[in-house]
Amino acid sequence: DTEVTQTPKHLVMGMTNKKSLKCEQHMGHRAMYWYKQKAKKPPELMFVYSYEKLSINESVPSRFSPECPNSSLLNLHLHALQPEDSALYLCASSQSPSSGYEQYFGPGTRLTVT
Amino acid sequence: KQEVTQIPAALSVPEGENLVLNCSFTDSAIYNLQWFRQDPGKGLTSLLLIQSSQREQTSGRLNASLDKSSGRSTLYIAASQPGDSATYLCAVSGGAQKLVFGQGTRLTINP
Repeated sequence: DTEVTQTPKHLVMGMTNKKSLKCEQHMGHRAMYWYKQKAKKPPELMFVYSYEKLSINESVPSRFSPECPNSSLLNLHLHALQPEDSALYLCASSQSPSSGYEQYFGPGTRLTVT
Repeated sequence: KQEVTQIPAALSVPEGENLVLNCSFTDSAIYNLQWFRQDPGKGLTSLLLIQSSQREQTSGRLNASLDKSSGRSTLYIAASQPGDSATYLCAVSGGAQKLVFGQGTRLTINP
């Protein structure tokens, strides 16, 4: 099973709201990723977790707060977002944090900030 | 800084044709290259992974090649079908757990 699941599929939130995106994988992967994808653009890396520890933050604004409670679960907490944060948020995982391993992507959460 | 370019940006062909999508990258120091498919509004589906030591990988009607020294990869799709219509992305892994993506090729197969 090479499945990464993400919930919710769609999310609409106001600029003062707090919401969370959830990602799960049960493949025993030890690296998990958050990407942001704007329309007609490739995904852009936001965060990387290696063995449940944050290893890469691509200078993402603090209104995005990642969390990795265990090896199977990755959250992205959202607070005080801006309309330009509207995008498709993709989660991915790979077997190892070491370079060279295949990344598997989830279906994404379509976020709209009003 | 690694840069990945995909040509063409869009391609429209009649059903049944064989076709080639191109991907080039500026830094040959890569660990691997992945080809993905993305349907509109959906996530990425991994099609093929080529390690830096490999020259090609095949899966069904798909064949991907890698020439690391020249910084090029191609994705060959045989006997194209309308269901192959999607955006195809290539991405290289150059270390530090980062994938660098190309801008994608939007493929349309006309029945």
